[in-house]
Amino acid sequence: QTVVTQEPSFSVSPGGTVTLTCGLRSGSVSTSYYPSWYQQTPGQAPRTLIYNTNTRSSGVPDRFSGSIVGNKAALTITGAQAEDESNYYCVLYMGSGIPNWVFGGGTKLTVL
Amino acid sequence: QVQLVESGGGVVQPGRSLRVSCAASGFTFSSYGMHWVRQAPGEGLEWVAIIWNDGNYKYYADSVKGRFTISRDNSKNTLYLQMNSLRVEDTAVFYCARGHYGALGYGMDVWGQGTTVTVSS
Repeated sequence: QTVVTQEPSFSVSPGGTVTLTCGLRSGSVSTSYYPSWYQQTPGQAPRTLIYNTNTRSSGVPDRFSGSIVGNKAALTITGAQAEDESNYYCVLYMGSGIPNWVFGGGTKLTVL
Repeated sequence: QVQLVESGGGVVQPGRSLRVSCAASGFTFSSYGMHWVRQAPGEGLEWVAIIWNDGNYKYYADSVKGRFTISRDNSKNTLYLQMNSLRVEDTAVFYCARGHYGALGYGMDVWGQGTTVTVSS
């Protein structure tokens, strides 16, 4: 069973920079997994931020960026704002064999 | 504008069935693969199923395989999820989500607002 790992929680100061990561319990994340990132505030539907590792979805501010850092996918927020306080989820595409997508457990980001 | 609206959620007893729907508008529905993603109360997101744009291919998470069936009616711009043999642990908000055009590996693009399914006796 594939397990995708994310930090359970993170905090950042307003105006600061934070990098959230998305890894595999066994193995390394590469662009072949087409990592994507989603933002969700409580009671709301998810919103797509980043897809295909580093492509910003339409309307997403450029303070959000995606990359591969070491053996993990990463979401960096540069110049965090109060409204960025949310839960962030990554998902990896498991394309070898039967296609399926596996979400990480999510990171609760606090801006304070 | 692109919009996905889920409906059909409710309270159902364990072992019973329920079908939820997702009405699409604002885009050419028949050109896009579609996902169902669920979220149990207080938990994270879980991918459930995907259907290709033409309905010819369908894939499921192991947790629902054999119990849930994804389908679509491109003439009605509607996606469905038929859920049989429901279990208490299927209680969740169910979201439909559009896949990326021509690149299903890229994950989910546009999301609906979700419909709540509660399985309880």
